[in-house]
Amino acid sequence: QVVLTQAPSASASLGASVKLTCTLSSGHNNYAIAWQQQQPEKGPRYLMKVNNDGRYTKGDGIPDRFSGSSSGPERYLTISGLQSEDEADYYCQTWDGGIRVFGGGTKLTVL
Amino acid sequence: QLQLQESGPGLVKPSATLSLTCAVSGVSIDTTVYYWAWIRRPPGKGLEWIGSIYYNGNTYYNPSLQSRVTLSVDTSKNQFSLNLRSVTAADTAIYYCARDASFLDSWGQGTLVSVSS
Repeated sequence: QVVLTQAPSASASLGASVKLTCTLSSGHNNYAIAWQQQQPEKGPRYLMKVNNDGRYTKGDGIPDRFSGSSSGPERYLTISGLQSEDEADYYCQTWDGGIRVFGGGTKLTVL
Repeated sequence: QLQLQESGPGLVKPSATLSLTCAVSGVSIDTTVYYWAWIRRPPGKGLEWIGSIYYNGNTYYNPSLQSRVTLSVDTSKNQFSLNLRSVTAADTAIYYCARDASFLDSWGQGTLVSVSS
């Protein structure tokens, strides 16, 4: 079964850019993933779907400073012009037939 | 506009059954495009998918929970439900419902369920 690996934490300064990584397990390089954001004390929010070719489709109302990309087994979420409200947990999520799988999440701190 | 709202008891006793309902508004649940999912987040841990259900009752479950979980759907009330049997303290979590297009693209705000005597 597919496994998603994320770094537990990341940090970047206000106004800077940050690139979060989600790595697919061996043999699953062609899988698409979705990025989910969970701000403190809130429900998760869908950010975007990222395909294996790097194309991405954002959810409604997601700012332009959020973008996605891919390289091999890695899927990326880039946030430009970091704002304080971007401090959150970020999860990647994929699917394998009917099974849905989450990565362990990355806690992003905005300095 | 799609809205999902979880409801159910906030406290469940050990060994009992946890039962939650997700009310869907703004879209009909009997769409052929989407499944409907339950996810949870235990304190200090990450998100865990519990299972997903189609409008006709077809289900997929997390293998680690499959023996204790049953999902159901009521199209007349535009809602779907979760039953989790034989709960322990490890089932304490915030429970979310979501629309499932393979990727989860719309979420409820969640409801905290604590398992304690």
